[in-house]
Amino acid sequence: EPEVTQTPSHQVTQMGQEVILRCVPISNHLYFYWYRQILGQKVEFLVSFYNNEISEKSEIFDDQFSVERPDGSNFTLKIRSTKLEDSAMYFCASSGKVWGMGTGELFFGEGSRLTVL
Amino acid sequence: AQTVTQSQPEMSVQEAETVTLSCTYDTSESDYYLFWYKQPPSRQMILVIRQEAYKQQNATENRFSVNFQKAAKSFSLKISDSQLGDAAMYFCAYRSVFRNSGNTPLVFGKGTRLSVIA
Repeated sequence: EPEVTQTPSHQVTQMGQEVILRCVPISNHLYFYWYRQILGQKVEFLVSFYNNEISEKSEIFDDQFSVERPDGSNFTLKIRSTKLEDSAMYFCASSGKVWGMGTGELFFGEGSRLTVL
Repeated sequence: AQTVTQSQPEMSVQEAETVTLSCTYDTSESDYYLFWYKQPPSRQMILVIRQEAYKQQNATENRFSVNFQKAAKSFSLKISDSQLGDAAMYFCAYRSVFRNSGNTPLVFGKGTRLSVIA
């Protein structure tokens, strides 16, 4: 069964360092998302991506964050200069349906745990 | 903006018994989707059940069913014949049907941690 895969599963970094989290969405999906979950808190939307550009982003997704789809299969989230409060589980998700053509179900990866020291 | 509220941070149920997880939401939209996601300790969120707001009939998936009360903006999840494998964090989520981008995010509640007691 197709699935969303994420790497690394866990990354520890020093404050101020750049981090890239990688995701391989399901191959025929068109919409891509990043969510994050700070320990013990709710899952929060960061950004959605379609047709090689950002469709929507939340207030969390400031200038320190960027996303790209460099090669047609990977979908990456970059944090330029990490802060302590960026420590969280980051989930990638993808969906394949345009609204009106299906339920738009999101398929999630297992997440990448980022620890900023 | 839409909000989703799960008022039960933790719940427990005896194996083989039934448990209901609560969820309420706030929206001014008339058409939308509601979801319950399960996040077991392995961390991947898995879709349990979904409900289209325009459908009056409550969704059912095997042992999982919902009680969707649109006027009350309530969307509870009932798990029947609970099994040890049902132990997980359960998230209620809302999604608009359509926005201009056609690419709308999920809005999650804070989750309910369900323990199943053998």
